[in-house]
Amino acid sequence: DAKTTQPPSMDCAEGRAANLPCNHSTISGNEYVYWYRQIHSQGPQYIIHGLKNNETNEMASLIITEDRKSSTLILPHATLRDTAVYYCIVSHNTGNQFYFGTGTSLTVIP
Amino acid sequence: DADVTQTPRNRITKTGKRIMLECSQTKGHDRMYWYRQDPGLGLRLIYYSFDVKDINKGEISDGYSVSRQAQAKFSLSLESAIPNQTALYFCATSEPASGGYNEQFFGPGTRLTVL
Repeated sequence: DAKTTQPPSMDCAEGRAANLPCNHSTISGNEYVYWYRQIHSQGPQYIIHGLKNNETNEMASLIITEDRKSSTLILPHATLRDTAVYYCIVSHNTGNQFYFGTGTSLTVIP
Repeated sequence: DADVTQTPRNRITKTGKRIMLECSQTKGHDRMYWYRQDPGLGLRLIYYSFDVKDINKGEISDGYSVSRQAQAKFSLSLESAIPNQTALYFCATSEPASGGYNEQFFGPGTRLTVL
């Protein structure tokens, strides 16, 4: 499975959009992009996933570039409860191996 | 009630002791996973199981063994615990969706300290 590169930390003002980038330049055609977040040592929580197209759900939007080598997770109106470590993962659709990396620590500032 | 439960939630033990961490799920999923997380790092896969007859090593299986007693139960054992196995351990389950993606559902974690 392809590995990912994320910035180690980011800040975002409360109420503003948080844009978290991820590079996955070695992604293969059948690998999905997943985003999870982990709040203070709790179990990671699924946010969103995508293959080729941009995706949106009640939590976030996922923008995948046309060449699929990078993506951006967008939290449209960040709240203090969105402070967490965000992991970008790419994995084959059989999904047996998730490589979490070190993620991006997002701090939402009042 | 939580869909994925782990017991114990916290455990302190001594070097050389045998330890078992247990995971149970009520989601009806076939796939189960064990991960460990060290401070400041992401989760790393220890073992995974696609059904009760299928056990596979993950990225860091040395020093660990697992048992899949039933679809709903997946146990992780440390036969002879050592201090560098001090970590946060997570169990997860999944069931591939018809669209091919594979969302994993995580338990609350077990914090293990080996003295």
